[in-house]
Amino acid sequence: ILNVEQSPQSLHVQEGDSTNFTCSFPSSNFYALHWYRWETAKSPEALFVMTLNGDEKKKGRISATLNTKEGYSYLYIKGSQPEDSATYLCAFGSGNTGKLIFGQGTTLQVKP
Amino acid sequence: DGGITQSPKYLFRKEGQNVTLSCEQNLNHDAMYWYRQDPGQGLRLIYYSQIVNDFQKGDIAEGYSVSREKKESFPLTVTSAQKNPTAFYLCASSDRVAGELFFGEGSRLTVL
Repeated sequence: ILNVEQSPQSLHVQEGDSTNFTCSFPSSNFYALHWYRWETAKSPEALFVMTLNGDEKKKGRISATLNTKEGYSYLYIKGSQPEDSATYLCAFGSGNTGKLIFGQGTTLQVKP
Repeated sequence: DGGITQSPKYLFRKEGQNVTLSCEQNLNHDAMYWYRQDPGQGLRLIYYSQIVNDFQKGDIAEGYSVSREKKESFPLTVTSAQKNPTAFYLCASSDRVAGELFFGEGSRLTVL
């Protein structure tokens, strides 16, 4: 079973704080690394899909980096807002099987 | 509107009964996935299909079965052999192997 680990498991920050999460994944048979945001009572929505080592992607105040050689990705949120409160999931795509395996997620709570 | 439709949203089943969860997509996606979520855990892969008439086991396939007779449909049967079927089930699709996932709204199964 492929192991995808996310840390921290949960995070409470004040509005305006910047924060980051980590996703660790196998460094072999890499195909893609995904980040999703899952808000309560909604379906998960894709934030980023990254495929190349050194990729950096940005969407508004959220950005992500990728290191496939050492098997990790960081997700950054600058100036957190209450609407950023959600569970953030990463998923590792395996090149030789086509599987997409998720980590356990990081639950972010932003207090006004 | 293009999307993924899961039904039913809530389902109650007696022990020993099989139940089938429906997943239909009109996105013309080749790949489809079934995930299960339990409290405090991430999404675990049950089965996935990269193309019509083909599917592969995920990490927790025991007690489940699927079919992929049509591109737009990927039903999941939870059999009586599944020891702990009470969970939240999510279906997803993507336009390519390990591509960005689009999720349905989920089905919550409770075994009484």
